[in-house]
Amino acid sequence: DAGVTQSPTHLIKTRGQQVTLRCSPKSGHDTVSWYQQALGQGPQFIFQYYEEEERQRGNFPDRFSGHQFPNYSSELNVNALLLGDSALYLCASTMGQGAYTGELFFGEGSRLTVL
Amino acid sequence: TQLLEQSPQFLSIQEGENLTVYCNSSSVFSSLQWYRQEPGEGPVLLVTVVTGGEVKKLKRLTFQFGDARKDSSLHITAAQPGDTGLYLCAGPPDNYGQNFVFGPGTRLSVLP
Repeated sequence: DAGVTQSPTHLIKTRGQQVTLRCSPKSGHDTVSWYQQALGQGPQFIFQYYEEEERQRGNFPDRFSGHQFPNYSSELNVNALLLGDSALYLCASTMGQGAYTGELFFGEGSRLTVL
Repeated sequence: TQLLEQSPQFLSIQEGENLTVYCNSSSVFSSLQWYRQEPGEGPVLLVTVVTGGEVKKLKRLTFQFGDARKDSSLHITAAQPGDTGLYLCAGPPDNYGQNFVFGPGTRLSVLP
């Protein structure tokens, strides 16, 4: 049973560039959430995708955008990168929409460094 | 806004010692979860506590949910180097959704 997979594992960008991160959810899951984990911090919710639409969004600027494909995989795009965007970006998959208190299944993350 | 605080931020102990880490909030949570995150990996769920006053045991780990459902603790007995990692508490949102709130974590190092 394939778990959550993310790519790339590591990447380095310079300020002002754009980045795309990719996530494939755990088999059988249809909902993908993205979290940003800065060094020494806990994960912070960016947004969630279900049925190819953004359903919820955390306190992140419009430079952060995403997409979900018909096969439930998802992309996170960040434009006009800032030094402060350096972080581990985690994808979590779940099943269904709405109120949820179950387990979040995380990928290993994509570590972004902005120089 | 629901927030979670964790203490201590860092903890370094010798193998065989006992330890307790804490997760606190000023808000009531319907449940709390504990995750462990190892370097280069995503967080992995350890336990979910749901009922105020609930105690759950997972081998040498004991989790407790406060009576008022505003705090939780994790106690490890006879810590081992394999317990090393970042321990995160997390709570489900108070709205209709999946935007979990995470604490900043306790980074535990167990030295052999």
